[in-house]
Amino acid sequence: GEDVEQSLFLSVREGDSSVINCTYTDSSSTYLYWYKQEPGAGLQLLTYIFSNMDMKQDQRLTVLLNKKDKHLSLRIADTQTGDSAIYFCAETLFSGNTPLVFGKGTRLSVIA
Amino acid sequence: GAVVSQHPSRVICKSGTSVKIECRSLDFQATTMFWYRQFPKQSLMLMATSNEGSKATYEQGVEKDKFLINHASLTLSTLTVTSAHPEDSSFYICSARETQGTGEAFFGQGTRLTVV
Repeated sequence: GEDVEQSLFLSVREGDSSVINCTYTDSSSTYLYWYKQEPGAGLQLLTYIFSNMDMKQDQRLTVLLNKKDKHLSLRIADTQTGDSAIYFCAETLFSGNTPLVFGKGTRLSVIA
Repeated sequence: GAVVSQHPSRVICKSGTSVKIECRSLDFQATTMFWYRQFPKQSLMLMATSNEGSKATYEQGVEKDKFLINHASLTLSTLTVTSAHPEDSSFYICSARETQGTGEAFFGQGTRLTVV
């Protein structure tokens, strides 16, 4: 079945760039998402990318998609302490009645 | 953008009682909503797919008599945890996707259930 894998932890210094990686198995995935979750809170959509795109940039966030390797990454430029959170990668098909499949989440710790 | 509202955000209940959690799509119609459960420091696990006007589809291992789902309108799905036990304590999150447009998924704020 579908599976999404992420590394569990990442620690970076404030001001550096963070790169969070994700791999998925379902080659028919159409949408790939990055969500942020702060302690005790719900999910905040950061960005998403269609499978026919290679890259998407939105301010400090850059998403890279390697469809051949089924690899997705999220780069956060100039990482701030407020970026400390858990980041979830998720994938789904185009159809609006299919759920998202989530990775286990990467806990990003930003050191001042 | 589209918003999904989930209520309540926190609830504490006694063992044996039932708790209802509501999930509303505020500015779009959602024929399908999803209910997830998140254990501490773990990922979101899909519990069930809620279909408007029909029975929910439950994932393997999720007790349908324990977690009652009702999707009576295109903007409201409810999850009722029946005869709650401490092991039901968890973070429950609902989601709805736009069936048109980008198909983006929107999430509620989540409900932290504590059963004492």
